Amino acid sequence: EDQVTQSPEALRLQEGESSSLNCSYTVSGLRGLFWYRQDPGKGPEFLFTLYSAGEEKEKERLKATLTKKESFLHITAPKPEDSATYLCAASPNTDKLIFGTGTRLQVFP
Amino acid sequence: EPEVTQTPSHQVTQMGQEVILRCVPISNHLYFYWYRQILGQKVEFLVSFYNNEISEKSEIFDDQFSVERPDGSNFTLKIRSTKLEDSAMYFCATNRDAEETQYFGPGTRLLVL
Repeated sequence: EDQVTQSPEALRLQEGESSSLNCSYTVSGLRGLFWYRQDPGKGPEFLFTLYSAGEEKEKERLKATLTKKESFLHITAPKPEDSATYLCAASPNTDKLIFGTGTRLQVFP
Repeated sequence: EPEVTQTPSHQVTQMGQEVILRCVPISNHLYFYWYRQILGQKVEFLVSFYNNEISEKSEIFDDQFSVERPDGSNFTLKIRSTKLEDSAMYFCATNRDAEETQYFGPGTRLLVL
């Protein structure tokens, strides 16, 4: 069965304290691995798409990496405005996205 | 930057009533999706739609649900007879190609009483 698992469920960081979020996936024929940011009561906001193992994408304080079994979202020197839930989703060899439960990140000043 | 829009932002309805949720996709996008997120749970796929027909649907998308593109711009999700467990955020998503990134709308919060 296709599955996406994210850890940790919640993460509290001091401003400037770097960390990584994990996304493990088991899907048949991965088309793509997606990272989204979701603020409370809002829709998922696109961050990155990764298509093949070894690929890396970077945007401001965020960097996403992909291996054959997992993806990491690295957050360098986070700021309070980075507080949100970060969602990982995998696209198997179909149209749909399979989401993980997300990591709720809180960054304190 | 083009965005997916959804209306209404909130809808409260009585159990057994019909609701229609509306989405305006990004203009050059050809693939359309509906997802739902029950409070505190993960985002779940409902249905994908391309070339005026359903291309894939989940087990959640039973006979009470239907989708259509009535006028070439809007994309709608209809729930014929709502149940308490249909209370959730409903998100529309679109992309140009099935292998590309899906862009999500802001969602409609549906509350069934």
